[in-house]
Amino acid sequence: QQPVQSPQAVILREGEDAVINCSSSKALYSVHWYRQKHGEAPVFLMILLKGGEQKGHEKISASFNEKKQQSSLYLTASQLSYSGTYFCGTEKNGSSNTGKLIFGQGTTLQVKP
Amino acid sequence: EAQVTQNPRYLITVTGKKLTVTCSQNMNHEYMSWYRQDPGLGLRQIYYSMNVEVTDKGDVPEGYKVSRKEKRNFPLILESPSPNQTSLYFCASSLVGGGSYQPQHFGDGTRLSIL
Repeated sequence: QQPVQSPQAVILREGEDAVINCSSSKALYSVHWYRQKHGEAPVFLMILLKGGEQKGHEKISASFNEKKQQSSLYLTASQLSYSGTYFCGTEKNGSSNTGKLIFGQGTTLQVKP
Repeated sequence: EAQVTQNPRYLITVTGKKLTVTCSQNMNHEYMSWYRQDPGLGLRQIYYSMNVEVTDKGDVPEGYKVSRKEKRNFPLILESPSPNQTSLYFCASSLVGGGSYQPQHFGDGTRLSIL
């Protein structure tokens, strides 16, 4: 089952914050986050493993709530370079290391000057 | 430079004409995977390989074949392409444990149009 991302799209002004959520109907073992700029390949941001740890990358951080089967990506003081489509990916069957990574439908983020 | 290389980058072809999209990585990664990307659907996994000679189906394997004879190469074969396989294709690789533990490195993509 494909994880569900929300919102589908968001428009920000530079310096504003945003949150992107990724929810699964199955138990989560890990969550990947990637960013894809228009016409380019997805680029890895971070992986979170179950345990609720929070990770950071520049001014982008993420949390993993195992109980809620959800991960959230936090973009703080957004920059123009943050524009793109963000994807979360989870193990398909809610277990570890099966190789079957399934991605959400993506959240398009546009940061305006 | 560490990279995943796909060829061709763009291809327009006709229904039924067999084609192969090559994927090669120079990072000695055990795990490789193919995805297709369609508007509104995100990335969907076609096939993946945990190591040489080990391949398995992803979510949308119908109409595709793969092989993994060498660690660095993972070609995607469309034996009889059809218009519904028109899409943007990405190859990705990672160290062992590619499902959960390791980041995936993506190639630049191949845009296929099947007429």
